[in-house]
Amino acid sequence: GDSVTQMEGPVTLSEEAFLTINCTYTATGYPSLFWYVQYPGEGLQLLLKATKADDKGSNKGFEATYRKETTSFHLEKGSVQVSDSAVYFCALTLSGGYNKLIFGAGTRLAVHP
Amino acid sequence: DAGVIQSPRHEVTEMGQEVTLRCKPISGHDYLFWYRQTMMRGLELLIYFNNNVPIDDSGMPEDRFSAKMPNASFSTLKIQPSEPRDSAVYFCASSPGTDTQYFGPGTRLTVL
Repeated sequence: GDSVTQMEGPVTLSEEAFLTINCTYTATGYPSLFWYVQYPGEGLQLLLKATKADDKGSNKGFEATYRKETTSFHLEKGSVQVSDSAVYFCALTLSGGYNKLIFGAGTRLAVHP
Repeated sequence: DAGVIQSPRHEVTEMGQEVTLRCKPISGHDYLFWYRQTMMRGLELLIYFNNNVPIDDSGMPEDRFSAKMPNASFSTLKIQPSEPRDSAVYFCASSPGTDTQYFGPGTRLTVL
């Protein structure tokens, strides 16, 4: 069935380091892909999205490119800050199935000064 | 504009008691979702509504769980009777009919 697989955390980085969080998916059809972020004690917020192959989503210095050939949507940021410490969720919506998000397990990121 | 509002933010109850969680979606949003988040199982979709009608409740774990949406601005998730394994953070989310969902802050439920 349709699913999302993320790299296990926690990911621990120093401030200004480069970040990559891997995400791969399995889906029939052509899903839309998302990254959501959850800060401590809060609900999830949409970080970025891409709706078709080769699209790049970007927001707040984060980027992810929809790669159909590798079924991937890896999250990257060139220089992380302490304030980026959070849990990051990769997700997809099913083609033809309205709005039903399927989430990965989440990856916790801890950034130290 | 107010986001999705959930109440209570924290609930501690004893096993066997009835628990009711409440959600007010963003005005004008046609879709409402209930999720449960635990360390073991991650984020799970329990049920979702479109125009106040339940569309998919396949994620509801068992008959002890029920959800209602009596009008466009209010939804409840009820657990009766509650059990310790129901302890989790429960999120409500709403959507205007696009592929983006807006999450509330969650209700942390502890069943002793």
